[in-house]
Amino acid sequence: AQSVTQLDSHVSVSEGTPVLLRCNYSSSYSPSLFWYVQHPNKGLQLLLKYTSAATLVKGINGFEAEFKKSETSFHLTKPSAHMSDAAEYFCVVILSGGYQKVTFGTGTKLQVIP
Amino acid sequence: NAGVTQTPKFQVLKTGQSMTLQCAQDMNHEYMSWYRQDPGMGLRLIHYSVGAGITDQGEVPNGYNVSRSTTEDFPLRLLSAAPSQTSVYFCASSRAGGAGSYNEQFFGPGTRLTVL
Repeated sequence: AQSVTQLDSHVSVSEGTPVLLRCNYSSSYSPSLFWYVQHPNKGLQLLLKYTSAATLVKGINGFEAEFKKSETSFHLTKPSAHMSDAAEYFCVVILSGGYQKVTFGTGTKLQVIP
Repeated sequence: NAGVTQTPKFQVLKTGQSMTLQCAQDMNHEYMSWYRQDPGMGLRLIHYSVGAGITDQGEVPNGYNVSRSTTEDFPLRLLSAAPSQTSVYFCASSRAGGAGSYNEQFFGPGTRLTVL
């Protein structure tokens, strides 16, 4: 069985400070991992993806994530938060072996304080 | 490219009514999916398709039907709407991946459905 856990439902940071959004997964196989962002009343947009190449993945808008197999984690970071980063972020796991095994985390809402 | 389009954007139904949510993509993607998004639960897969004529159930398929007669279109049918189907529905498409590799999904803007 696979699952994905986003450890924080809400994160609040000040503008200009670092962002850390945490994601842990459980899987018996090598997963494909994604982070998506959803701005209010919008669809989802891909931030970045990991598919067994480099463990440090760079995405759009200055975000990056590091795949740590020993910790089964794929945390999302950004050095300096911007007001436009306020949104909901989803960690997604897809197992090899079946397209239907797409699992979304429950989401983390990021608030950026001016 | 328009990407993934969904209609309508908003819909209110009465319990027992039926309707079809439309989804179309112009990227020639093989894979298409329907999700529902409920507060605190992330997105849950309803049905998906890996190509024209091929569909399968996801995590929460009950009360929904799909068909895929063309590569471009993937409508979602609610046969007899229930209040529990009040949700935001997203359609997504992606290219088929290689062995053990999955490509990003492109999402539509969503349909907000309320069932009274």
